[in-house]
Amino acid sequence: NAGVMQNPRHLVRRRGQEARLRCSPMKGHSHVYWYRQLPEEGLKFMVYLQKENIIDESGMPKERFSAEFPKEGPSILRIQQVVRGDSAAYFCASSPGISNQPQHFGDGTRLSIL
Amino acid sequence: RKEVEQDPGPFNVPEGATVAFNCTYSNSASQSFFWYRQDCRKEPKLLMSVYSSGNEDGRFTAQLNRASQYISLLIRDSKLSDSATYLCVVNVGTSGTYKYIFGTGTRLKVLA
Repeated sequence: NAGVMQNPRHLVRRRGQEARLRCSPMKGHSHVYWYRQLPEEGLKFMVYLQKENIIDESGMPKERFSAEFPKEGPSILRIQQVVRGDSAAYFCASSPGISNQPQHFGDGTRLSIL
Repeated sequence: RKEVEQDPGPFNVPEGATVAFNCTYSNSASQSFFWYRQDCRKEPKLLMSVYSSGNEDGRFTAQLNRASQYISLLIRDSKLSDSATYLCVVNVGTSGTYKYIFGTGTRLKVLA
């Protein structure tokens, strides 16, 4: 499967635990974007990364959330000390970094906080 | 003003109808444009890119009007399976970094 791969598909955490969401971009794509979607709401941009660089994190909450895209391996979205309000679908998308090319999305990770 | 605006709908149309969605964007430097489709609880999927000259893919036609800064999507002969949320997306950026700005989506319900 050459598409965007996200794992896990479903993640359950208790309040106060940490959640780690992983995203491997499509082959040949070096730009990764993370979005959050609450039930019955639209996609909200969180962060845009290239290898080893955060390009735009204007949509990231100031506390508890962080993202990385290391030279080797997948991009990671990390949520520390999760709260009930973090329950959402988290989508990752990748693009080749060319202006007329679209993003392609992974299946998403559904995070549930007990 | 939002960077990308869409009528949220819902648009309820009978099978076989023609339906059109519009989307306006505020950044005149926007470079490329796309329509995505999102089914309930699923990831957005690319429906089509929007080219300056307009383009068609089967029952779907997309148009771009740079002067008025809007794009449109026309769906002919609607099917039940077209029921979904349609997202307008605008690409903005320079020097190898590109951001994709999403509208909030227009919900379509095709009724039997």
